[in-house]
Amino acid sequence: SQQGEEDPQALSIQEGENATMNCSYKTSINNLQWYRQNSGRGLVHLILIRSNEREKHSGRLRVTLDTSKKSSSLLITASRAADTASYFCATYGKSNDYKLSFGAGTTVTVRA
Amino acid sequence: DVKVTQSSRYLVKRTGEKVFLECVQDMDHENMFWYRQDPGLGLRLIYFSYDVKMKEKGDIPEGYSVSREKKERFSLILESASTNQTSMYLCASSPSLLSGEQFFGPGTRLTVL
Repeated sequence: SQQGEEDPQALSIQEGENATMNCSYKTSINNLQWYRQNSGRGLVHLILIRSNEREKHSGRLRVTLDTSKKSSSLLITASRAADTASYFCATYGKSNDYKLSFGAGTTVTVRA
Repeated sequence: DVKVTQSSRYLVKRTGEKVFLECVQDMDHENMFWYRQDPGLGLRLIYFSYDVKMKEKGDIPEGYSVSREKKERFSLILESASTNQTSMYLCASSPSLLSGEQFFGPGTRLTVL
């Protein structure tokens, strides 16, 4: 069942700008994960944030988690054309029977 | 690096045909998954397996079956393909149920005519 919902559905930015996308979910989680999917390809795991963490960084990626609001955000700084992809959040935990539950994704286009 | 491979990138089949999609992972992962991906719906779990010869239904198992005879291989079977099974099929494997991090194959785009 789909638990995470990303916002916005689509985002178009200029190269060098930052891209921010949000994810909201409904039930308690053990962790929340972000994945990237380039056009017509499989998903690639980007970053995992545990329920007791508030912020995590990986290179140009910054993820925040607010369990009280049941929301997360993914920030990509200094975007590049290669960041053009769809980004999915996925929740994981007991309430999902320890299965990943994906949102519908945010499509990001980075213009050169 | 973990590698998950799928037997075909593109597949075209006719209604009523039996279709086999194969997935192989090379990292000795216990857990394997099959998803389908449709525009606006995200990924939906079809079946998963925690061990050889074990399988569990996901959210949308109807019209599908699976087979896991060896640890590294997980097959998805469409017993009688229908046009509403036209979709992108993604296989994934996972080493641990503690974190749930999954590694995905490149996907198979199946068209049923």
